[in-house]
Order: sequence, then structure tokens, then C-alpha cells
Amino acid sequence: DAGVIQSPRHEVTEMGQEVTLRCKPISGHDYLFWYRQTMMRGLELLIYFNNNVPIDDSGMPEDRFSAKMPNASFSTLKIQPSEPRDSAVYFCASSFWGLEAFFGQGTRLTVV
Amino acid sequence: GQQLNQSPQSMFIQEGEDVSMNCTSSSIFNTWLWYKQDPGEGPVLLIALYKAGELTSNGRLTAQFGITRKDSFLNISASIPSDVGIYFCAGHAKTGNQFYFGTGTSLTVIP
Repeated sequence: DAGVIQSPRHEVTEMGQEVTLRCKPISGHDYLFWYRQTMMRGLELLIYFNNNVPIDDSGMPEDRFSAKMPNASFSTLKIQPSEPRDSAVYFCASSFWGLEAFFGQGTRLTVV
Repeated sequence: GQQLNQSPQSMFIQEGEDVSMNCTSSSIFNTWLWYKQDPGEGPVLLIALYKAGELTSNGRLTAQFGITRKDSFLNISASIPSDVGIYFCAGHAKTGNQFYFGTGTSLTVIP
């Protein structure tokens, strides 16, 4: 298996623009997590899905953030409109039965 | 959210030395995981622990699930330069079914 695949690896965008981050989980995994990593706050859980259904989105910073999982092999995290304080590395992770989570390589987002 | 206290925050050691780090929580976890993150990469799973008191090894790495279920330890023996990176612990509780991450231990190995 290729592991968790995220795209793009790097994204630079202007403040106010819409940003969409993509994730393909490991085949057969039933949980998908979106994390954000910054120096100040470390790894923060934004939202997680079980069998494509959002279970807990309490970590989503505000309404500008939204996540979808239309099927078992694809998820998106959208920020609209983006702000400089959204600059961070965003990770997607997947697991089976909610146990050992495997991470993608991340998307480094820079909002200028 | 849950806070996991990881210590030490950073370590500078000579190649060949052994390393110990730990993670504590105010809550009980059913699973403890240890990850390593290299610069520009995602965390990579090193060891998973599922039972209180469990001691598991992966090469030069050994991790233990604390008896109280509120802590875990990671040891690295005979460190080498490629051990450099940030090590994270993560706890998983059935309630809420999510992982909580520690603040990380940055390891530097001096050749």
C-alpha cells in the first residue's frame, strides 16, 4: 500500500483565497483524521471521520474551515477565506478500528 | 482537549548513548503510541502498546505502557545520528475514539 497520500505538499496562497487540501487514506481504513501542526500549538486534531461520517469536529477553528469525506478513499479540508494565521502543516491520518494512526507527509500551507 | 506532558522537551546526546523519554497524562488511556517525525515529513509510527505493563521492542527502541495507564516510556539504546528527530507520544481512549498527542521531545545526536 502506498500509505496515506496528501496533496499538494506545499501551497502558497494569498489571504482571502480558498484553499483545498486533499487526502487519500490507506485502503481499508475506516477512520480518517485531519491534524494541524504549528510550533506554538503542536499537533491539533481538527476533525475525524468514521466510515465517511464526521464524528467530532470540535477542533475545527472556525466556520472558515470545512471538511468532507464523500467516499472511503477521499477527503478534503477546505479553508475559505484563508488568513495568514492559518499557515501551518496540515496532516491527514487514517487508521483501522481507530487504533494505530498512519500519517501522510502533510501539506505545508503558507497564507501571505 | 487532552494534554499529554512529554519530557524532556529536548535532548542533546553523544552517539552511542542511551535515551529515555516519557509521557504522562491526567487521564487513563487504552493505547499508547510512539511516533518519530523527521523534518518536512509526517510522524511515523514506531511502537504501539495496548496493555498496561506491556513492554514492546522494535530494534533499538523499547517502549512501556505504564501500570497506571496514565504514562508511557520510550527508550532508545546505542543512539545513532539517524535517530535525530522529534518523538511524539500519543494516547488513545475509547471514549471519543481519538488520539491525543504529546508536545514532543526533540532529539539531537552528536556524532
